Amino acid sequence: DAKTTQPPSMDCAEGRAANLPCNHSTISGNEYVYWYRQIHSQGPQYIIHGLKNNETNEMASLIITEDRKSSTLILPHATLRDTAVYYCIVTASKLTFGTGTRLQVTL
Amino acid sequence: GAVVSQHPSWVICKSGTSVKIECRSLDFQATTMFWYRQFPKQSLMLMATSNEGSKATYEQGVEKDKFLINHASLTLSTLTVTSAHPEDSSFYICSTLAGGPKYNEQFFGPGTRLTVL
Repeated sequence: DAKTTQPPSMDCAEGRAANLPCNHSTISGNEYVYWYRQIHSQGPQYIIHGLKNNETNEMASLIITEDRKSSTLILPHATLRDTAVYYCIVTASKLTFGTGTRLQVTL
Repeated sequence: GAVVSQHPSWVICKSGTSVKIECRSLDFQATTMFWYRQFPKQSLMLMATSNEGSKATYEQGVEKDKFLINHASLTLSTLTVTSAHPEDSSFYICSTLAGGPKYNEQFFGPGTRLTVL
């Protein structure tokens, strides 16, 4: 699996968009970009995934650069319940969790 | 999405005893389930892949004789930590694959916190 790099932590004001970056410069052609999040002491939750096109669902949007070497997860209107560790995973098979980004949403 | 439950949610046991953790897929027939563990302040580590009706596939460094996995039905996989020691204290989480085009969309259980005294 390609290695990913994420900032260790980020803050976001409630109601604002949270933009979480992920670098994956060694991504292979058959590898997808997945995003999961883990709220404290719970199991991870699937958010979104994509191959090369931008994706949007009810939770978030995923923007993948044209060269696929980086991506951004966008939570359009962050709430306090979005406080969690967000994992960017690049894989064609198993999920390998890195250290993720700890997003703190504040009032 | 699929609903995955785990039982128990937490367990405390004495060193040397065995502990069984159940993972159930409540509304989905799970051919494949995964077992992860997470030590405090660390990320999830895949332990093994459990396939219904066949032997589990363990990740490198995970002792298959210590962590016994049984996936006898499409809705239940169990992880038994045998002869538990304090270093086995961890958060154990299972997941199932959604299947279909969303190959790696996994649904995770709420986790089981094991404390070995």
